[in-house]
Amino acid sequence: IQLTQSPSSLSASVGDRVTITCRASQGIRASLAWYQQNPGKAPKLLIYSTSFLQTGVPSRFSGGGSGTEFTLTISSLQPEDFATYYCQQVHVYPLTFGQGTRLEIK
Amino acid sequence: EVQLLESGGKVVQPGGSLTLSCVGSGFTFSSYAMSWVRLAPGKGLEWVSSVTNSGEGPQYAHYVRGRFSISRDNSKNTLFLHMTSLRFEDSATYHCAKTFQPYSGGPSTLDSWGPGSVVTVS
Repeated sequence: IQLTQSPSSLSASVGDRVTITCRASQGIRASLAWYQQNPGKAPKLLIYSTSFLQTGVPSRFSGGGSGTEFTLTISSLQPEDFATYYCQQVHVYPLTFGQGTRLEIK
Repeated sequence: EVQLLESGGKVVQPGGSLTLSCVGSGFTFSSYAMSWVRLAPGKGLEWVSSVTNSGEGPQYAHYVRGRFSISRDNSKNTLFLHMTSLRFEDSATYHCAKTFQPYSGGPSTLDSWGPGSVVTVS
């Protein structure tokens, strides 16, 4: 299953609302997760099962969608949110990731 | 607190072999399936392999199948990735990761990750 994220990169300002889209090449029900990664650091789980917020993740992060189209929304960007974001399908093996969305400060 | 720590990464020649280790603590290691995921320079995250909590049913990405082998020693809370016939394109930081729910027999979200171990094929 191929996952296509859009956009590949995004420039935004602190306080902005941003949405990243992840499209699957076939239906994956709600079996989608979102991760945040900073350079040189371990990826961090943000959202699981499409819309469930991982413990400790700020409520400004939210996920939605179903089937083949999914979104990650950050309601009000904070300085620590500028990072790369990946979606991942956990519906079937092989597990696959989107190509990543790099979120940069404008 | 869940902690995962990888080791074993180094510079190896093409065609060479290497074994990575990942030690887990802060959770019941033997109850959770584990995975390896890599990040190559300038590229995105790429799943490599997964294994169930008991060490059965290993799964591999097509680009490592037949060259890499995943295993675990639950008595030592340790996950391994045995890598052979290494290629330039295998150069990456390799992260081990724990599944979200215990006794997961199939694909599962990865909720805790190690900082990674760097493998350079050159």
